[in-house]
Amino acid sequence: AQSVTQLGSHVSVSEGALVLLRCNYSSSVPPYLFWYVQYPNQGLQLLLKYTSAATLVKGINGFEAEFKKSETSFHLTKPSAHMSDAAEYFCAVSAPNQAGTALIFGKGTTLSVSS
Amino acid sequence: DTAVSQTPKYLVTQMGNDKSIKCEQNLGHDTMYWYKQDSKKFLKIMFSYNNKELIINETVPNRFSPKSPDKAHLNLHINSLELGDSAVYFCASSLLTSPTHYEQYFGPGTRLTVT
Repeated sequence: AQSVTQLGSHVSVSEGALVLLRCNYSSSVPPYLFWYVQYPNQGLQLLLKYTSAATLVKGINGFEAEFKKSETSFHLTKPSAHMSDAAEYFCAVSAPNQAGTALIFGKGTTLSVSS
Repeated sequence: DTAVSQTPKYLVTQMGNDKSIKCEQNLGHDTMYWYKQDSKKFLKIMFSYNNKELIINETVPNRFSPKSPDKAHLNLHINSLELGDSAVYFCASSLLTSPTHYEQYFGPGTRLTVT
């Protein structure tokens, strides 16, 4: 069974500050890991993914995440927050090589950015 | 060009009614999904279809019945709507035969409100 825990349901940062959104996973098989972003009243957009290649993954909009097997973590970071980063962020896990495998989502973290 | 589209975007109806949500993708994908996002923004898989065949059927009331007339469409019919069905329903798709089969593309969501 797989699961994801996102620590902190709400993170507030100032514009220009470091963004750190935490995600820990549990998986009985080597996982695929994802970060999705959801802007208000919109669907989910893939930010980045880890699929057992490089452990440091770069995504869109300046975000990156590092897969740490020893810590079962996949935290999302961005060096400098922008007002447009305010949104809901979801970490998700799936099992590779399974037909139509579902994404298992964390409960989400709301990122607020103040000027 | 819209990749994954859903209709309607908003649906307000009364308890006991029957309603359908439609999903279409023009990505050439062969696998489609329905996810439910509750009022706390928690996302959970409901169904998954591959080439019109049901492959994931999570614990969902029998009142929910997915139908896939072809690979590009996955509809969700809900009978005897209840207050607890109020949620945002997301359709997603992926291509099983692709090296990036694990990447799911989401539609904009359908906000269902049952009164």
